[in-house]
Amino acid sequence: GQQLNQSPQSMFIQEGEDVSMNCTSSSIFNTWLWYKQDPGEGPVLLIALYKAGELTSNGRLTAQFGITRKDSFLNISASIPSDVGIYFCAGRADSGTYKYIFGTGTRLKVLA
Amino acid sequence: GAVVSQHPSRVICKSGTSVKIECRSLDFQATTMFWYRQFPKQSLMLMATSNEGSKATYEQGVEKDKFLINHASLTLSTLTVTSAHPEDSSFYICSARLLTGINYGYTFGSGTRLTVV
Repeated sequence: GQQLNQSPQSMFIQEGEDVSMNCTSSSIFNTWLWYKQDPGEGPVLLIALYKAGELTSNGRLTAQFGITRKDSFLNISASIPSDVGIYFCAGRADSGTYKYIFGTGTRLKVLA
Repeated sequence: GAVVSQHPSRVICKSGTSVKIECRSLDFQATTMFWYRQFPKQSLMLMATSNEGSKATYEQGVEKDKFLINHASLTLSTLTVTSAHPEDSSFYICSARLLTGINYGYTFGSGTRLTVV
């Protein structure tokens, strides 16, 4: 099935550092979602974006809906050990469907 | 908040048997639910869209006769893996569409780890 390209695939960072990851698509999306998944669990919604250019925060997390509508970005400020996990972006291209396509994921590991 | 309960969390079955996985929306009605499959260290792949009262819509390459989906009520969708084989071993996750104003949130269940031996 179709997937969104997400980068980086994985990253090790020191506690307290800021983290950035992005998601790109070859087609236009009208909604972007960012999820975090812990091992053996279902994804948990972090941030939802509905308009091009939109910038939304959730605590230390900030996500942006790219102006081109083909990308989205997630930033985590002052990372802490519990930020460890896999972060997925998900996009919805067709307003006539409720299906979301998931990104390939960014595996984050925080070194204390 | 909206909660989706998925059961069982883990199941081991013998090759050739069938397994049913339940996905329930606990405090809201879900007209649409989605079933995903996730292999280790990989992303979520949409298998099918489950619509209450109608037939499920399957993604390309997903065998509808093997992965039976039933969405008989506004709070329950089930996925039955029929005649399971070891290659069906995977993490299956459901999600439900929650109508909140003009925007739509999607809540995931906690997943079911299926191991076919």
